[in-house]
Amino acid sequence: QLQLQESGPGLVKPSETLSLTCTVSGGSISSSSYYWGWIRQPPGKGLEWIGSIYYSGSTYYNPSLKSRVTISVDTSKNQFSLKLSSVTAADTAVYYCARRDIAARRFDPWGQGTLVTVSS
Amino acid sequence: QSALTQPASVSGSPGQSITISCTGTSSDVGGYNYVSWYQQHPGKAPKLMIYEVSNRPSGVPDRFSGSKSGNTASLTISGLQAEDEADYYCSSYTSSSTFVFGGGTKLTVL
Repeated sequence: QLQLQESGPGLVKPSETLSLTCTVSGGSISSSSYYWGWIRQPPGKGLEWIGSIYYSGSTYYNPSLKSRVTISVDTSKNQFSLKLSSVTAADTAVYYCARRDIAARRFDPWGQGTLVTVSS
Repeated sequence: QSALTQPASVSGSPGQSITISCTGTSSDVGGYNYVSWYQQHPGKAPKLMIYEVSNRPSGVPDRFSGSKSGNTASLTISGLQAEDEADYYCSSYTSSSTFVFGGGTKLTVL
């Protein structure tokens, strides 16, 4: 059964770069059927799609975050990563990674999520 | 891209049916049959309930159904049960090859 697990610092200072990694187990990140994505949820608010990456490195980003986001993939480690630069308190959120089915454009499964707080 | 529009809250009694709407534009909901619905219990990750407008993943009860008309998609839950109380989010693929979520709807089972 495929599982995803987010990891990274839970506290980031304003203006610095947030870095998270998603480790995929129970399946290969190099499957031709899937993209791999990041979604976030500020406390008490709704979901926001951040971006997705294919195992080849092809990416799509949310236009509102594009200038600050980089998503990369490491097929040798079965991991993909998120970097969000110049963070502010508005970037405080639970960050989820998820598998995205190419054909059906659905997110399933999701990782458990990790809370990242931006504060000095 | 703007978030899809969902009602902030809906409620129903056990056994009843409720419908949650999700309104977008012709560039997302209306343009593609790639609408998904996710259920989220407090402190938990979202769970896929409906994909491609009306398809249910294996394991999701057939009390959950989805539909679409024009730029509005809908999730209907029939035979409401206490465990259905959760937040529900719709999502759509867009003409820019991106994804957009709705603001979320809190379902209360009275």
